[in-house]
Amino acid sequence: QVQLVESGGGVVQPGRSLRVSCAASEFTFSSYEMHWVRQAPGKGLEWVAVISYDGRSKSYADSVKGRFTISRDNSNNALYLQMNSLRTEDTAVYFCARAGSGSRLDNWGQGTLVTVSS
Amino acid sequence: DIVMTQTPLSSPVTLGQPASISCRSSQSLEHSDGNTYLSWLQQRPGQPPRLLIYKISDRFSGVPDRFSGSGAGTDFTLKISRVEPEDVGVYYCTQATQFPYTFGQGTKLEI
Repeated sequence: QVQLVESGGGVVQPGRSLRVSCAASEFTFSSYEMHWVRQAPGKGLEWVAVISYDGRSKSYADSVKGRFTISRDNSNNALYLQMNSLRTEDTAVYFCARAGSGSRLDNWGQGTLVTVSS
Repeated sequence: DIVMTQTPLSSPVTLGQPASISCRSSQSLEHSDGNTYLSWLQQRPGQPPRLLIYKISDRFSGVPDRFSGSGAGTDFTLKISRVEPEDVGVYYCTQATQFPYTFGQGTKLEI
């Protein structure tokens, strides 16, 4: 059974940085495109970023472009999201999700909460 | 960006009765490869999203057959043939035809 476990969330001040991680298991991580999707408290889903299976191709939402960096370590089955210059509007639960065939987001982690507050 | 608009935003339903959610995209979701990358997600309270339907009408593994998807181009529908108690939650349509992926606002299904 595919497992995705996020970690690294917490409370951070505006303007500071944080890195969240996603540990993958029970599937061949290096074969799959991976995404980050976030959900502000009580709100809907917002796509954040994607990284290709080999890490060579990345894409970002305009709201995070230039501030967030998605990366992966295929040798350790890990996905990362480095978040710099954090803003209060970045407060959300951050989910990692696997993209299966047909570009479907077919498996999701439980999420990690990032709170940006002074 | 492609805007996804769902209706209704809230849907009171009766157990055992059908339910339907509509999703409209601001432009066609047909990809140049001929596929239409429209999916439906379910999010139960306190849980992460769960994939129900992908490519308009393909049911994901383990999803009950009371869930079905239909549509084409810019108009799509998720139907539940007979609502069960565990179907309570928020349903999202999402497109993966082009970046950035976008989601509908969500439809809250309430018994």
